[in-house]
Amino acid sequence: QKEVEQDPGPLSVPEGAIVSLNCTYSNSAFQYFMWYRQYSRKGPELLMYTYSSGNKEDGRFTAQVDKSSKYISLFIRDSQPSDSATYLCAVFGGSQGNLIFGKGTKLSVKP
Amino acid sequence: ETGVTQTPRHLVMGMTNKKSLKCEQHLGHNAMYWYKQSAKKPLELMFVYNFKEQTENNSVPSRFSPECPNSSHLFLHLHTLQPEDSALYLCASSQGSGNYGYTFGSGTRLTVV
Repeated sequence: QKEVEQDPGPLSVPEGAIVSLNCTYSNSAFQYFMWYRQYSRKGPELLMYTYSSGNKEDGRFTAQVDKSSKYISLFIRDSQPSDSATYLCAVFGGSQGNLIFGKGTKLSVKP
Repeated sequence: ETGVTQTPRHLVMGMTNKKSLKCEQHLGHNAMYWYKQSAKKPLELMFVYNFKEQTENNSVPSRFSPECPNSSHLFLHLHTLQPEDSALYLCASSQGSGNYGYTFGSGTRLTVV
C-alpha cells in the first residue's frame, strides 16, 4: 500500500464552485499534514499546514484532517481561475522522517 | 535573491554528456533535498543533506551524483543519463527536520536525448 494516495484528476470546475481535494494515508503515526500548490513551470509552494486532527482555515482555503479515517482534505470556496494549478498533499513522517507526497490533483477553474 | 534558486531552468543533454544542476538557498536552512518529478508520479525523494552531510540516498543510480559544499549550495552532477531520466528536478530546503514543510525552487526541466 502506498503511503499517500491522491487521485490525479484532472478536475475541472466552473468559477465560483466549491472544490474538494482529498488524500488518504496509510501510517497512523503521521502527525504533520500539508497541501502544496504547484503552478505550471514552477515548484510547489506550501499552501496549508495542519498538525494532528482538525480544521484550519485561511481565506478561501480550509484544510481538514481526520486521523481516525486517515483522510486529509482541502476545500476551496468561491474558486477562481487563478486557483488553476496542481495541488499536492504531503505528510511528514514515513520510515526516514521526510515529506511524502501524493501524485497531485490537477485543477482547472473555468471562467 | 530570496528563497531557493535553481539553475539552469531548462537543460537538454545527450546520453554521453556530463552536466550539473545547481541549487542555492537564501533562507538560512540547514537541510537540502533533491526531488525528481515525473508525470503522473508522486515526487520522488533522491537525496537529503543535513548540515552538509548526506543523510539519505534513496537507491538512486550512480549516474546521479550529489554534492553539498556548504549548507546553502547543492549540486546534482549528471553523467551518461538515460531518456527515462527526463523529468523536472526540484531542489528544496528546510529548517530542522522539515516537519513544518520544505521550500522548493522552480526546478530544472531536464530532457535527455
